[in-house]
Amino acid sequence: AQKITQTQPGMFVQEKEAVTLDCTYDTSDQSYGLFWYKQPSSGEMIFLIYQGSYDEQNATEGRYSLNFQKARKSANLVISASQLGDSAMYFCAMRETLAGGTSYGKLTFGQGTILTVHP
Amino acid sequence: EAGVVQSPRYKIIEKKQPVAFWCNPISGHNTLYWYLQNLGQGPELLIRYENEEAVDDSQLPKDRFSAERLKGVDSTLKIQPAELGDSAVYLCASSLGEGADTEAFFGQGTRLTVV
Repeated sequence: AQKITQTQPGMFVQEKEAVTLDCTYDTSDQSYGLFWYKQPSSGEMIFLIYQGSYDEQNATEGRYSLNFQKARKSANLVISASQLGDSAMYFCAMRETLAGGTSYGKLTFGQGTILTVHP
Repeated sequence: EAGVVQSPRYKIIEKKQPVAFWCNPISGHNTLYWYLQNLGQGPELLIRYENEEAVDDSQLPKDRFSAERLKGVDSTLKIQPAELGDSAVYLCASSLGEGADTEAFFGQGTRLTVV
C-alpha cells in the first residue's frame, strides 16, 4: 500500500486564485510528521510547510497552509493568491517512527502534483 | 551558510561504465540521505546514514550500487556497472536531529543519463 497518495497528477490555477493540492497518508503510528516540498524545474527540493500529528492547529507559512484532517489521514496543501512562480511539482512527504523505536527515519514521498499557474 | 552541495550536476555515460556522485551535506548535519528520483515521480530512498553508519540501505541495489560516508561528513554513491534504467536524478539530503519535525535539506541533484 502506498504510504503517501497524491491523486492529482496535474492541477491548473489562475493567477491570484487559491488552489488545494491533495495528500492522503497511511500510517499506524500515533506520532509522525507531514511535510510539503516544492520542486521547480531547476530540480532543487524546497521545504514549504510542516504539520505534526499532535498539532491541534493547522500549520501556516505565509501563503501556504495545511488542511490537516487526522481522522481522514489527509494533509492537503492550500496555496492562496497563486503566483506564476508557484508553477512547479509539489510533493507531500511523511516521517514516521522507526519500528519499535522513538526516533524517526526516512522521509517517504508521494508521487507529486504538477501545478501550473496561468496568468 | 552553504546548503547541500552535489556534484556533478549532470553526467552522461555509456551503459556498463562506472559512475560516482559526490555529496557534501550541511555542516553539522549527522543524517545523510541518498534518494533516487525517476522522471515525474517522487524521490525514493536508497540509503540513509547516521554519521558514518548506514542505518537503512534496504532499497539500495547492492549488486551494482555502493555508498560510503567516510568520517561521517561527505558521501559518495557509486554505480558499477551502470544500466540504461539507472537514468534518473540522484538527490542527496541532510538533516540534524531525529524528531518527527526534522526537516531534510536537499541538494540540486545529479541528473544521470545512461546511453
